[in-house]
Amino acid sequence: NAGVIQTPRHKVTGKGQEATLWCEPISGHSAVFWYRQTIVQGLEFLTYFRNQAPIDDSGMPKERFSAQMPNQSHSTLKIQSTQPQDSAVYLCASSLVGNTEVFFGKGTRLTVV
Amino acid sequence: AQSVTQPDARVTVSEGASLQLRCKYSYSGTPYLFWYVQYPRQGLQLLLKYYSGDPVVQGVNGFEAEFSKSNSSFHLRKASVHWSDSAVYFCVSGSWQLIFGSGTQLTVMP
Repeated sequence: NAGVIQTPRHKVTGKGQEATLWCEPISGHSAVFWYRQTIVQGLEFLTYFRNQAPIDDSGMPKERFSAQMPNQSHSTLKIQSTQPQDSAVYLCASSLVGNTEVFFGKGTRLTVV
Repeated sequence: AQSVTQPDARVTVSEGASLQLRCKYSYSGTPYLFWYVQYPRQGLQLLLKYYSGDPVVQGVNGFEAEFSKSNSSFHLRKASVHWSDSAVYFCVSGSWQLIFGSGTQLTVMP
């Protein structure tokens, strides 16, 4: 069991460019979550998929951020026109549906310059 | 709305000493509560969880936590810390949408 895999581990983008972050949940886990971690805001919930369907995106910024889960084995978080304030560690997590034990990936550190 | 407060941003203890990391939650019912640990360059790892029943729950590596409804608290304890316990500890509330406390940086001095 390789755990939740996130790629890339580090990404540097220029202001205004697009960034796509990838997540491979643990095999068999049908619940996938995205969180963002910054020094100032701490850990914040972004969005949640269950059986590939978007369930709750209440934490997603209304503009420029989108998440998808096209199949059971991966989810993506896309940020368009990145801004310096988007710099953060983005964490993906997965769990069995109905199970509150959530497993986190190591995160993708996004730096917008 | 749920919230979690960790009043101590940093805690320093000597190796072999006992440890308590404090956590207060705000929730009208009985919440699901967790403690996670984050080691440098590692993902968040679950230490222990509380749903109901015995208010003292055991976790990995000798950690335990005690739930108190009257105090709205869920403090983490360890009888004897090791230098490898140095990490950031998060108290967390919620079910599928987790609400994280601000974290406590634990430093264990040799």
